[in-house]
Amino acid sequence: DAKTTQPPSMDCAEGRAANLPCNHSTISGNEYVYWYRQIHSQGPQYIIHGLKNNETNEMASLIITEDRKSSTLILPHATLRDTAVYYCIVRFTNAGNMLTFGGGTRLMVKP
Amino acid sequence: DTAVSQTPKYLVTQMGNDKSIKCEQNLGHDTMYWYKQDSKKFLKIMFSYNNKELIINETVPNRFSPKSPDKAHLNLHINSLELGDSAVYFCASSQQGEYGYTFGSGTRLTVV
Repeated sequence: DAKTTQPPSMDCAEGRAANLPCNHSTISGNEYVYWYRQIHSQGPQYIIHGLKNNETNEMASLIITEDRKSSTLILPHATLRDTAVYYCIVRFTNAGNMLTFGGGTRLMVKP
Repeated sequence: DTAVSQTPKYLVTQMGNDKSIKCEQNLGHDTMYWYKQDSKKFLKIMFSYNNKELIINETVPNRFSPKSPDKAHLNLHINSLELGDSAVYFCASSQQGEYGYTFGSGTRLTVV
């Protein structure tokens, strides 16, 4: 799996958009970009994934650059409950290809 | 209903003991996993298992063994527990062809 680079921590004001960057310059053509988060003391939670196109769901939006070497997870209106560690993961989806976590970004949403 | 459930939530035991952590998923997924999260908060894959194949992370000591009585369960057995085994262990499941993993809430193991 391609390696990802994320800032170790970020702050965001409550109600504002949180933009979490991820660099994956060695991504290959068939690798997807996944985002998970882990709220304190809980299991990781799937957020969103994409291949080439931008994606949006009820939790977040994922913006992938045209060259696919970086992406941004956007939480449009961050709340205190969004405080968590956010993981950007690049991987193939074939069976046996396990989800491997890096260090992630610790997002602190402040009142 | 909890999608992926683990028991116990907390486990305190002495060095040298043998213990098991149970995991059950009611999602009908075909693959289950065990992860370890140590005190530095790094999440490391330990095992991946479906009814055809067990994939073991090469860094996992052979004191750890997954056992699957059926498709919905993947239990983790640990022999001769050591202090360094203290961590939070997460079970997860996924379905081939789908994209998201569903994680359990974790089991905090403390070896004293």
